[in-house]
Formats: sequence, C-alpha cells, structure tokens
Amino acid sequence: AQRVTQPEKLLSVFKGAPVELKCNYSYSGSPELFWYVQYSRQRLQLLLRHISRESIKGFTADLNKGETSFHLKKPFAQEEDSAMYYCALSSWGGYQKVTFGTGTKLQVIP
Amino acid sequence: DAGVTQSPTHLIKTRGQQVTLRCSPKSGHDTVSWYQQALGQGPQFIFQYYEEEERQRGNFPDRFSGHQFPNYSSELNVNALLLGDSALYLCASSERETGTGVGYTFGSGTRLTVV
Repeated sequence: AQRVTQPEKLLSVFKGAPVELKCNYSYSGSPELFWYVQYSRQRLQLLLRHISRESIKGFTADLNKGETSFHLKKPFAQEEDSAMYYCALSSWGGYQKVTFGTGTKLQVIP
Repeated sequence: DAGVTQSPTHLIKTRGQQVTLRCSPKSGHDTVSWYQQALGQGPQFIFQYYEEEERQRGNFPDRFSGHQFPNYSSELNVNALLLGDSALYLCASSERETGTGVGYTFGSGTRLTVV
C-alpha cells in the first residue's frame, strides 16, 4: 500500500522567512514523488518532481529514502507562495496510481 | 489547448439518484484518472482508464464506474448516490508512454452536491 502523510494542515510564515513543508511516505518499492500546488481559484498543478531535481519558483525538494521523506523547501517565502500544497507518490512503471497527501495550506504573512 | 475539460462544473442530485460526469483529456494524453476530493481532504484515487479499460482502481465501491471512449474522453458514473458522495470530482490526464513521471494535468473539477 502507498501512503503519503503531510502532518501540518496549516503553515504560517512571514514574508522572507524560510519555508519547509513536510511530507513523509510509505511505499514498499521505489517511488516517484511529486509536489502539486493549488493557488486560490486555480486548478491543481504540478510544482516539481523528484526525478528532475529542478527548482521551481525557488522551491526544492530532496528525496530522503532513509527517512522516507520528501520535504518541500524555499529559503525566502513570498506572498504569492500562499497556496495549498499537496505531496504525491506514484509507483514506477505499469499503470501508475498517484496517491496524494491531505495537503498543507501555506499562508505567507506580509 | 484547453487542457483538461470537465463538465458540468456544478451538480445537485438527490440521494439515490445516478450521476454522470465527463472529462476530455489534454491533447496528446491517452490516460485518464478520476479523483474524489472531499472538503479539507486530499484527492482520493477512484480509478484510471487507458485504452478504454479500467487499469487501476482505488478503494471505492462498485457504485462508482467509468468508461473511456476511443477519443480518450472519459465518464465517471455514480449510482445510488449517498450524502457522503458530495465532493469535488477531479479528472487528471497523462500520457501512458511517459507515465505519471511528468505529472498529471488536472481539470477544474465537478462539484457534486447530494441532498
């Protein structure tokens, strides 16, 4: 079974402060990990995926297989980062099912 | 490209009725996945269609069924509606060849209210 846990429902930070959104996963194989974001009144969209090791809008995430974590980080929060963030997991190959966490609402205080 | 298109955007049904939701995937995508998102929750996987067949299924009862057409569009059917079926239903498309590794493209969803 695959499971994604996001322990924080709400994370409030001041503009310019560092951000870390936590994500832990449970999966018996080798997973693909993603972060999706939903801005106000917009549809859910992919933010980044671990296999690309890219930085999107200043956000990065490192897959830690030992701790089964995929935390999302940004050194300096911006007001436009306020949104709902979902961590997601998929199996490799085959007919992949993507499992989402419950989401963390990031609120950046001006 | 309009991306993923879902219809209708909102729907109100009475308990016990049946409902059909529709999804057109992004151009070039051949795989459609359906999710249920209850208020305050993350999307929950219902099932996935590829080549007009159900390929993966989540933990949902048989009241939830689907279909994929030759043009890759898809329908989600829910029979014998319960109050607990009230949720946002999301359609996500992807390309089988590249898998979900490049991520889903989501529709804006259908808000179903069961009264």
